[in-house]
Amino acid sequence: GIQVEQSPPDLILQEGANSTLRCNFSDSVNNLQWFHQNPWGQLINLFYIPSGTKQNGRLSATTVATERYSLLYISSSQTTDSGVYFCAVAYGNNRLAFGKGNQVVVIP
Amino acid sequence: ETGVTQSPTHLIKTRGQQVTLRCSSQSGHNTVSWYQQALGQGPQFIFQYYREEENGRGNFPPRFSGLQFPNYSSELNVNALELDDSALYLCASSFDRNYEQYFGPGTRLTVT
Repeated sequence: GIQVEQSPPDLILQEGANSTLRCNFSDSVNNLQWFHQNPWGQLINLFYIPSGTKQNGRLSATTVATERYSLLYISSSQTTDSGVYFCAVAYGNNRLAFGKGNQVVVIP
Repeated sequence: ETGVTQSPTHLIKTRGQQVTLRCSSQSGHNTVSWYQQALGQGPQFIFQYYREEENGRGNFPPRFSGLQFPNYSSELNVNALELDDSALYLCASSFDRNYEQYFGPGTRLTVT
């Protein structure tokens, strides 16, 4: 199956700092989604981004499908940004393959 | 518009028992996928249902089975529970097979 690698695995940020999370995948995909998992386990949709760049407030994402990677940018981080960020790629019959996640901690 | 809902939220079962988890898809969505998330890992695809038919299956044994009903809600059944089945089970729905997936809050299953 397709391999999804996320880096860095763990990230500690000072409130107000910017950061970039990276997702590499091993094969062509139909689409790509970024999620934020809250402490109760709910996956919150951030971006649906098979290619190109999208922005939503302080978050933005870029996917370069030809080079098999995607980036999630967090600007002016806040403590509420803490949690695990997952990249998931859709292939075949739209099954999602997830990375192991980026654990982000934002300290005040 | 109601999002994806799952029941129950938590469940404790004994090894060897059977369990049924339930998922109601978001209004207007005809595709439901199930995922298993072990502690500290990303979710793993179990299977997908599209218009009441199984539409793909991940690397899970046959004791994991499912159903989708005419209203597109779905069930996940697990027979002969094992300790390693302890996990968060997530259901996702989408408008159709190749659209964005939206997740429910999950069912946390503990097998003792």
